Amino acid sequence: EAGVAQSPRYKIIEKRQSVAFWCNPISGHATLYWYQQILGQGPKLLIQFQNNGVVDDSQLPKDRFSAERLKGVDSTLKIQPAKLEDSAVYLCASSLDTGFKGYTFGSGTRLTVV
Amino acid sequence: LAKTTQPISMDSYEGQEVNITCSHNNIATNDYITWYQQFPSQGPRFIIQGYKTKVTNEVASLFIPADRKSSTLSLPRVSLSDTAVYYCLVGDGAAGNKLTFGGGTRVLVKP
Repeated sequence: EAGVAQSPRYKIIEKRQSVAFWCNPISGHATLYWYQQILGQGPKLLIQFQNNGVVDDSQLPKDRFSAERLKGVDSTLKIQPAKLEDSAVYLCASSLDTGFKGYTFGSGTRLTVV
Repeated sequence: LAKTTQPISMDSYEGQEVNITCSHNNIATNDYITWYQQFPSQGPRFIIQGYKTKVTNEVASLFIPADRKSSTLSLPRVSLSDTAVYYCLVGDGAAGNKLTFGGGTRVLVKP
């Protein structure tokens, strides 16, 4: 079974620039999550999709972050404009159903804002 | 979701057994205890889940006392490749509940 694919693997941008991350979940997984992991901390949930609908985006900084999941498969997360504090690893995860054991994470995109 | 407390870091040596205890005093009746492992430069991955008593798989064992207010993840005979961050999570995984990570325990295995 192929894992969760994310790209790019690394990205360096200047503050106030925009950036986009892409995620392709495991085939058939209805639920998709984006997490932000700042160095030395545990991952923090930004947004959860169920198929192509948003279930929870309560921790997404909506003034600069946006996400979409067209056709209920791939997803993109965008930051515009980026701030220095957005430097982190952005992890995408997907799951087939409820239950904490079924999450599969990608390797993430490491963003550095300078 | 129940709050969990676990040590920030632990050091060990190759071949030793590593035990990480997680406190979850407010665990609810329907909650399961789940552990994830995160290697450097990778996303977290599921390693074990339990409800009560003992669960064992090819990676680890999970010990849960009768009151379920704590749990201990046991990694037998660790190797250098077991160096990772280990997260304890408590919840019922029902619709609407999401994996909510704390700081985890950084385990460093030394030669």
